[in-house]
Amino acid sequence: AQRVTQPEKLLSVFKGAPVELKCNYSYSGSPELFWYVQYSRQRLQLLLRHISRESIKGFTADLNKGETSFHLKKPFAQEEDSAMYYCALIYGGATNKLIFGTGTLLAVQP
Amino acid sequence: KAGVTQTPRYLIKTRGQQVTLSCSPISGHRSVSWYQQTPGQGLQFLFEYFSETQRNKGNFPGRFSGRQFSNSRSEMNVSTLELGDSALYLCASRRDGAEAFFGQGTRLTVV
Repeated sequence: AQRVTQPEKLLSVFKGAPVELKCNYSYSGSPELFWYVQYSRQRLQLLLRHISRESIKGFTADLNKGETSFHLKKPFAQEEDSAMYYCALIYGGATNKLIFGTGTLLAVQP
Repeated sequence: KAGVTQTPRYLIKTRGQQVTLSCSPISGHRSVSWYQQTPGQGLQFLFEYFSETQRNKGNFPGRFSGRQFSNSRSEMNVSTLELGDSALYLCASRRDGAEAFFGQGTRLTVV
């Protein structure tokens, strides 16, 4: 079955420290993976998708098919990065069925 | 352009009642999907509509249903409400191959 696992519920770091939010997936086909972010009192919004290979707000994520991982990284955390981060997988090609992980709350301390 | 709009933002219902939530997608987006977000279960897929047809369905009981109109607006209905249905219900719209945009959600409280 398709599954997305985010092992950390909470990740607390200090400002300026590196950040890595872990995401592992299980999917038998060719996955399309995303990171979504939800800031306090704001709607869920796309941060990254693996096919675009962009860096958004300093975050990057590389799809590792061998390890079935799509970890989110940022070299220097900022306080404004504090938010809930969800890793998600599109199931079934041209559909809108996103399978989400349980999310990781990133708290960046001053 | 206008984002995904969900109405109402908040609802309080009693057990046994039924409720209808509405979602207006971004203009030009034909795919609308619905998710339930709870602290315990996280974000769970309910169903997806594309061109007025249900294209995918999650593992929810038949009390949860939806539909899509010719203008792509979608509604979801929950009948015989249970306390456990209390959640934030999110709607997302998408053009195939592009990112999904989410609404701000409808917070449903069942008492």
